[in-house]
Amino acid sequence: QQQVKQSPQSLIVQKGGISIINCAYENTAFDYFPWYQQFPGKGPALLIAIRPDVSEKKEGRFTISFNKSAKQFSLHIMDSQPGDSATYFCAASMGTNAGKSTFGDGTTLTVKP
Amino acid sequence: DARVTQTPRHKVTEMGQEVTMRCQPILGHNTVFWYRQTMMQGLELLAYFRNRAPLDDSGMPKDRFSAEMPDATLATLKIQPSEPRDSAVYFCASGFVTDTQYFGPGTRLTVL
Repeated sequence: QQQVKQSPQSLIVQKGGISIINCAYENTAFDYFPWYQQFPGKGPALLIAIRPDVSEKKEGRFTISFNKSAKQFSLHIMDSQPGDSATYFCAASMGTNAGKSTFGDGTTLTVKP
Repeated sequence: DARVTQTPRHKVTEMGQEVTMRCQPILGHNTVFWYRQTMMQGLELLAYFRNRAPLDDSGMPKDRFSAEMPDATLATLKIQPSEPRDSAVYFCASGFVTDTQYFGPGTRLTVL
């Protein structure tokens, strides 16, 4: 019930391409879905987040698509750049649980120049 | 630029020794999380506090790990005795009201 399943484990994209990372969850009580970006040697940092009352949120080149009925959400990186090469984690949390997040296993993205 | 700080950044110790990691959350944040990150297990939640009170430490091996918040500006994670399998990067994160967590730079622990 608490799991968040993330795929793919790794992804290689050419510069300018679209990177897509998917996550699926089981617990319908989750009400906050953030994506974190982590560079080597650094801690994860919030990239973008969505709540289930909207189906899409866009911030610059980063878009979250959310499908409540399928219990899935995905991160799309448009015009991917070598500087986007990092590990991306999806997460889910519910407000009644004091902000405690369940994280996916992470996706290592490599953008080739 | 407010940020979570962690000390030490790196720690190498021998099996059986006590290890203490410290975290200073962002001023004003009332929730503190401790995570462990390894290649095999990914990001695991060890424990978290709200308003300095422990809310959940179910992810923490109780026999050797302990977490405390002596005051609002300091969180500690202690391992005694340490074992090679404890080698990992330990992250502290803090937050307030919203679900966003702000992570520190981590402590890379190596137990020989």
